[in-house]
Amino acid sequence: DVKVTQSSRYLVKRTGEKVFLECVQDMDHENMFWYRQDPGLGLRLIYFSYDVKMKEKGDIPEGYSVSREKKERFSLILESASTNQTSMYLCASSFPGVGNQPQHFGDGTRLSIL
Amino acid sequence: AQSVTQPDIHITVSEGASLELRCNYSYGATPYLFWYVQSPGQGLQLLLKYFSGDTLVQGIKGFEAEFKRSQSSFNLRKPSVHWSDAAEYFCAVGPSNTGNQFYFGTGTSLTVIP
Repeated sequence: DVKVTQSSRYLVKRTGEKVFLECVQDMDHENMFWYRQDPGLGLRLIYFSYDVKMKEKGDIPEGYSVSREKKERFSLILESASTNQTSMYLCASSFPGVGNQPQHFGDGTRLSIL
Repeated sequence: AQSVTQPDIHITVSEGASLELRCNYSYGATPYLFWYVQSPGQGLQLLLKYFSGDTLVQGIKGFEAEFKRSQSSFNLRKPSVHWSDAAEYFCAVGPSNTGNQFYFGTGTSLTVIP
């Protein structure tokens, strides 16, 4: 069965910390995505990667960076965490193709910044 | 600019009743359209998608959706709702060739009463 695994379901960090969210997929997908989900705002794309070491900014990349050193792993980095980054973070993956839409999602990481 | 509107924030239906969730989009050309479902505490699951061809699309879990170009709509339907269908539903409009222009609606929360 296909699987996208996010390393933590819940995470609590302090303002100013550098935070790493990890995502691993076992489907050999080229595309990987990081989304942020907030009530009333739906899902907003932070970053998208279509290959190893390749990345593109989404709608809300400010305050975030990403790393994709291996095909199966896509990391989201909060350089200096702030309280307005408290949110649910969702990772997704897919094969390239028509639409290039995110196909498989992880269960999410609920991040709280205190 | 692309956008997706889900006018209903929350819908309550009785088990066994029919369901229709509304989705309207704004897009310059023929869009790629998608519906996802998010069960509590989980990531999103792709229910169905429309790229071209037959405007009535069948998906998983007994769901279907109809693309109506004249109304810029892609409403999701199910003839008989089950208690397990209680979840958050997201409509999305996708890009033609890149993953970083994929937009989600704000979601519709479905409650099913016995």
